[in-house]
Amino acid sequence: DAKTTQPNSMESNEEEPVHLPCNHSTISGTDYIHWYRQLPSQGPEYVIHGLTSNVNNRMASLAIAEDRKSSTLILHRATLRDAAVYYCILTYYGGSQGNLIFGKGTKLSVKP
Amino acid sequence: DAGITQSPRHKVTETGTPVTLRCHQTENHRYMYWYRQDPGHGLRLIHYSYGVKDTDKGEVSDGYSVSRSKTEDFLLTLESATSSQTSVYFCAISESGGFNYGYTFGSGTRLTVV
Repeated sequence: DAKTTQPNSMESNEEEPVHLPCNHSTISGTDYIHWYRQLPSQGPEYVIHGLTSNVNNRMASLAIAEDRKSSTLILHRATLRDAAVYYCILTYYGGSQGNLIFGKGTKLSVKP
Repeated sequence: DAGITQSPRHKVTETGTPVTLRCHQTENHRYMYWYRQDPGHGLRLIHYSYGVKDTDKGEVSDGYSVSRSKTEDFLLTLESATSSQTSVYFCAISESGGFNYGYTFGSGTRLTVV
């Protein structure tokens, strides 16, 4: 299974940008990079995903390295509601489809 | 979450009894998944389905079975509950199996086996 490596925790100040790194050196050419976040006592929430090009949506931006061995989730202005565990996941191809294999993620704390 | 509902939200059961958790979706998505989440392990895939009556095992499938007789429902059964199956169970759905779109997760079922 393709693995990802993330820092256990990070801190940010409110209204500042946050860059959450993820290493995935064993990524294959067809693996998608997904980011999810989980707030306390809730299910994971989809944030963004991409294959090769950088991606933007209303929640965040995803910057993918040219060799695809690393990526960075960018929250442009952190709010207190962004405090969560962020998971970087590679789509795992089992059977006839891709599955998500979760790691332990990065716990993001946001200070007022 | 809109479009996906898990029931029950909480359940306490005795060791050795069968338990069935239900995941219901209104999105008509092809793919459905069951995960469990335990402290120190993150989310682990139990079973998944890629269509009606098409299911397959995930990482931690021992002691669990699933059924999908309709597109909208994916049932997870603990055949004989054990204390090691005390966990929070999450259902997820996906339109494209993680390719073009992301997954949507339910709010979870907290199961306690005593």
